[in-house]
Amino acid sequence: EPEVTQTPSHQVTQMGQEVILRCVPISNHLYFYWYRQILGQKVEFLVSFYNNEISEKSEIFDDQFSVERPDGSNFTLKIRSTKLEDSAMYFCASSDNSGRRNTGELFFGEGSRLTVL
Amino acid sequence: GQNIDQPTEMTATEGAIVQINCTYQTSGFNGLFWYQQHAGEAPTFLSYNVLDGLEEKGRFSSFLSRSKGYSYLLLKELQMKDSASYLCAVWRTGGFKTIFGAGTRLFVKA
Repeated sequence: EPEVTQTPSHQVTQMGQEVILRCVPISNHLYFYWYRQILGQKVEFLVSFYNNEISEKSEIFDDQFSVERPDGSNFTLKIRSTKLEDSAMYFCASSDNSGRRNTGELFFGEGSRLTVL
Repeated sequence: GQNIDQPTEMTATEGAIVQINCTYQTSGFNGLFWYQQHAGEAPTFLSYNVLDGLEEKGRFSSFLSRSKGYSYLLLKELQMKDSASYLCAVWRTGGFKTIFGAGTRLFVKA
């Protein structure tokens, strides 16, 4: 069964460093997302991406964050200068909001745990 | 704005039935999801309701009342493996944005 894959599974970085989290969405999906979940807290929306541009972003997704689809398969989240409070699990998701399956069901990757020291 | 409320924790006994409620307020509604999340894992899809009424899928059922901004997830014949967090999520119109509630941690005891 097709799945969303994420790398790395865990990254430890120093405050102020740049981090890039990578995702390979399901191949026929058109909509891509990043969510984060701070330990013990809820899953928070960061950004949605469609047709090579951001569709919507939350107030969390400030100038320190960016997303890119550098080729036909990868979808990346970059944090330019990490802060302690960026420590969280980051989930990539994709969905197939086509006429065939217009439910918006999110297929999540296993997550990338980011620890900022 | 949007707001999603669900109980923080519930406990139930193996073999029993449990109902997890969710109320929501949102501008622009395109459907309501329930996801299951085991500790340390990603959320996985359980159900989707866009019209009022009950959707049944094996041991899991989900109900929606759009006029009341209310949904519930019903789990029957509880098993120990059902111990997890259950996340109510609203799919908003425009922008492809799904917003999650804080989740209900369900403990199933023997």
